[in-house]
Amino acid sequence: DAGVIQSPRHEVTEMGQEVTLRCKPISGHDYLFWYRQTMMRGLELLIYFNNNVPIDDSGMPEDRFSAKMPNASFSTLKIQPSEPRDSAVYFCASTRQISTEAFFGQGTRLTVV
Amino acid sequence: EDKVVQSPLSLVVHEGDTVTLNCSYEVTNFRSLLWYKQEKKAPTFLFMLTSSGIEKKSGRLSSILDKKELFSILNITATQTGDSAVYLCAVEAGANAGKSTFGDGTTLTVKP
Repeated sequence: DAGVIQSPRHEVTEMGQEVTLRCKPISGHDYLFWYRQTMMRGLELLIYFNNNVPIDDSGMPEDRFSAKMPNASFSTLKIQPSEPRDSAVYFCASTRQISTEAFFGQGTRLTVV
Repeated sequence: EDKVVQSPLSLVVHEGDTVTLNCSYEVTNFRSLLWYKQEKKAPTFLFMLTSSGIEKKSGRLSSILDKKELFSILNITATQTGDSAVYLCAVEAGANAGKSTFGDGTTLTVKP
């Protein structure tokens, strides 16, 4: 398996624009997680899905953030409108079962100017 | 609110030294504690601990959990420059299985 695949790897956008980050989890993994990593706040869990259903979105910072998982092999994290403080590395991770090791994608480095 | 605190925040050692990284936590409904290594990109899994007192070992790395005192340690013996990385501790806890809180990490630098 190619592992967790995220796209794009880098994104630079202007404040106010919509940003969509994409993730393909490892086949057969039932759980998908979106994380954000910044120097100030470290690695934070934003939302996670089980069998395509959102289980906990309490980490989503505000209504500008939304995430979907239309099927077992694809998820998106959308920011609309984007702001400079959203600049961070966004990681997607997947696991086969709960409470097991998470496999992380390479991340999307988002810069909002 | 769940808390995970790692110490030290950074550490510089020389090759061959042994290091101990600490992770303490205050969470509700503890499920597991995981250690990850993050080099330039994505975190990679090292260990998962659920039971107290049982050491997990992989080569020069080992880890143990103390659920009574609410902490874990990660030991690296005979360090190498390739061990230089950020080591992250994550605790899974709460009503929703899968919700993890990460510590800020320990940045380890191993000098030749």
